[in-house]
Amino acid sequence: TAGITQAPTSQILAAGRSMTLRCTQDMRHNAMYWYRQDLGLGLRLIHYSNTAGTTGKGEVPDGYSVSRANTDDFPLTLASAVPSQTSVYFCASSEGTSGTDTQYFGPGTRLTVL
Amino acid sequence: GQNIDQPTEMTATEGAIVQINCTYQTSGFNGLFWYQQHAGEAPTFLSYNVLDGLEEKGRFSSFLSRSKGYSYLLLKELQMKDSASYLCAVRDSNYQLIWGAGTKLIIKP
Repeated sequence: TAGITQAPTSQILAAGRSMTLRCTQDMRHNAMYWYRQDLGLGLRLIHYSNTAGTTGKGEVPDGYSVSRANTDDFPLTLASAVPSQTSVYFCASSEGTSGTDTQYFGPGTRLTVL
Repeated sequence: GQNIDQPTEMTATEGAIVQINCTYQTSGFNGLFWYQQHAGEAPTFLSYNVLDGLEEKGRFSSFLSRSKGYSYLLLKELQMKDSASYLCAVRDSNYQLIWGAGTKLIIKP
């Protein structure tokens, strides 16, 4: 079982360009999340989706958008990248959002915006 | 505001025991998680506590005191492969995870 896959693994992007980070899970989990991880800071939630067809804003949503057209896919789009969006991006999923529901993480995408 | 505090870095010796502390102040509490993250890799789940007390899983144990806003992760019989960052996260009243910055654990032979 693949679990969660992310693409690309890494990317260098010119400022002002747009980009979509892809995330796919095969565990039929209801909830999915996008985090960014920066040195010295904890994981910060960008957007989340509790179930297909719904999305919500996390702690740091500005400059990012998401969609959840089906259960498996949860792409993250940067409409016009800025250098402060240089980070490692992790997609995660969980069966639900309560109790012992554990989040499982994809391998991450390392993004550099120049 | 919401806050999770952990030491930035700790060093321990192979075969020894180490305790990594986590204190939290969050809007609500619906469980505390510990994750392990090796350099350049994704976080992986280690343990979950929602009631006060100790949860043991092999060489790893996790303790929670909700009244003190405190948890620790105890690693016994340290191995070189335990060199990693350990992340503490609290599920808040909105059922979102609030993450600490992580504790980098260095194991020396």
